[in-house]
Amino acid sequence: GIQVEQSPPDLILQEGANSTLRCNFSDSVNNLQWFHQNPWGQLINLFYIPSGTKQNGRLSATTVATERYSLLYISSSQTTDSGVYFCAVITGNQFYFGTGTSLTVIP
Amino acid sequence: GAVVSQHPSWVICKSGTSVKIECRSLDFQATTMFWYRQFPKQSLMLMATSNEGSKATYEQGVEKDKFLINHASLTLSTLTVTSAHPEDSSFYICSALGLAAYSYEQYFGPGTRLTVT
Repeated sequence: GIQVEQSPPDLILQEGANSTLRCNFSDSVNNLQWFHQNPWGQLINLFYIPSGTKQNGRLSATTVATERYSLLYISSSQTTDSGVYFCAVITGNQFYFGTGTSLTVIP
Repeated sequence: GAVVSQHPSWVICKSGTSVKIECRSLDFQATTMFWYRQFPKQSLMLMATSNEGSKATYEQGVEKDKFLINHASLTLSTLTVTSAHPEDSSFYICSALGLAAYSYEQYFGPGTRLTVT
């Protein structure tokens, strides 16, 4: 199967700081999603981004499919951004989840 | 839109009993649903793919006789953990595949925390 690695594995930020999370994948994929898993376990869709750049408020994402990576940018971080961020790559209708980045935003 | 519910949200059962978890797509039809298992501080592990009206496809290493999946309608899939043991304790998450033009976006339920005593 496809290997999906995320970096960094853990990240601690001061509230208001910016950060970049990375997702590398080992093979060509049809699509890619970014998720945020909150402390209660709920996975929330952030972006569905096969290529290019999308923005939603303080979050934006860029996928460069030809180079097999995607980036998630978080600007002006807030304590509510804490949780685990996963990317998942999609080939056919098979999803492969990344290893996750655990983010803690401290006030 | 694209809301997926799971029931129950948490359950405690005794070893040897069976537990059924329901996954529903509330505002869309889902021909395909997925069941995942997540251990603490780990990523999601796909257990099986559930297609409406057909048998589920299980990932390697997942016991199909232990984890029974039924996808009887376009909005409901169920996972039954049979003869549960403490090692089955985990966080179980379902998702539904929402089809939009030329895309396959996955929507997740809130998860079910199973504790087997």
